[in-house]
Formats: sequence, structure tokens, C-alpha cells
Amino acid sequence: DAGVIQSPRHEVTEMGQEVTLRCKPISGHDYLFWYRQTMMRGLELLIYFNNNVPIDDSGMPEDRFSAKMPNASFSTLKIQPSEPRDSAVYFCASSSAGVADTQYFGPGTRLTVL
Amino acid sequence: SQQGEEDPQALSIQEGENATMNCSYKTSINNLQWYRQNSGRGLVHLILIRSNEREKHSGRLRVTLDTSKKSSSLLITASRAADTASYFCATDASGGSYIPTFGRGTSLIVHP
Repeated sequence: DAGVIQSPRHEVTEMGQEVTLRCKPISGHDYLFWYRQTMMRGLELLIYFNNNVPIDDSGMPEDRFSAKMPNASFSTLKIQPSEPRDSAVYFCASSSAGVADTQYFGPGTRLTVL
Repeated sequence: SQQGEEDPQALSIQEGENATMNCSYKTSINNLQWYRQNSGRGLVHLILIRSNEREKHSGRLRVTLDTSKKSSSLLITASRAADTASYFCATDASGGSYIPTFGRGTSLIVHP
């Protein structure tokens, strides 16, 4: 299995621009998670989906952030407009066994907003 | 939601030595997990221990759980330079949303 795939691996953009991060979970996994990691705040859960339905988005910092999962093999995290404080590494993870069980992480997208 | 806290924040040892890192949490849990993160990479799952278990082994890894003290420890025996990474614990709150929340991690450096 290819594991969780994220793209792009690196993104540099200017403040105010729209950013779209993409994730392909492991085939057959019913749960998909989006995390953000910074030195200051550590690893934060932004949102998670079960069977393509958003279950908990309480971690999404602002209305500028939105996430979708149109089908079982694809999810996006969009930031519009982006701000310098959004600079972080964004991880996608998937799980087959339930929300509290093992998660498989992608390699992450390093976002820099200038 | 609660968050596990790892201790120490950083640990530096020589190859061949054992490394011990701890995780403390505040409320009752169903599961506790340990993950490793190499620099610039995603997290990799190491071990999951359930609240009714006290100890688990996986290769050179040994995890203990003391629910009375609300703490867990991860022991890496005979460490190698390749063990250099950050180690995170993730806890889920029983009776809550069951979503694991991650601590800030222990940064381990193993010198060859």
C-alpha cells in the first residue's frame, strides 16, 4: 500500500492567497484527520471525517479554513485568505479501526505564508 | 479534550544506552498510544496500550501504563542513532469524544 499521500509537500504563498492542500487516505480507511503542527502549539487536530462526513470541526481555527471530502479517496483543506500565522506543517492521517485507534500519517505539507 | 504531556522535553544519550520517556494525563482513558516522528516526516505509530493493560512490548520498545497515576512510560532499550526522533503520546478521554490528543513530544537524540 502506498500509505497516505499528501500534496504538495511544500507550498510557499503570499498573504491573501488561497491555499489548497490535498490528501489521499489509505484505501479502505473510514476515518480521515487533518492536523496542524507548529513549534508553539504542537500537533493540533483541525477536523476529522468518518465515511466522508465531517464529524468534528471544532479545531478549525477560523472561517478562513474549510475542509471537504467529496469521496472516500480524496480530501482537501483550503485556507482562504491565507495569513502568515497559518505557516505550519499540515498532516493528513487515516484510520480503519475507529477514531481512537491507530492513525497512519502522511508526510505532511509544509506551508509558508509570506 | 485532554492532552498528554511528555517528559522530558529533550533527551540526549549515547548509542547503546536505554532511553525512557514519560507521559502524564489528567482524566481517565480508553487507550494510550505512542508515536515517533523523524525530522521532516509524518508520525509513525509505535504501540497502543489499552486501559486494562499494564505493559506491552514491541521489539526494543517497552510501554507501561499506570492508570492510578495517570501516566505511561516508553522505554527504548539498546538505543541506536536511528532512534533519534521526537516521541509523542496520544490519549483519548473515556466518556468523551474518544479523539486522541497529542502531547508536545520528547525530542530524543542518540549519539553514535
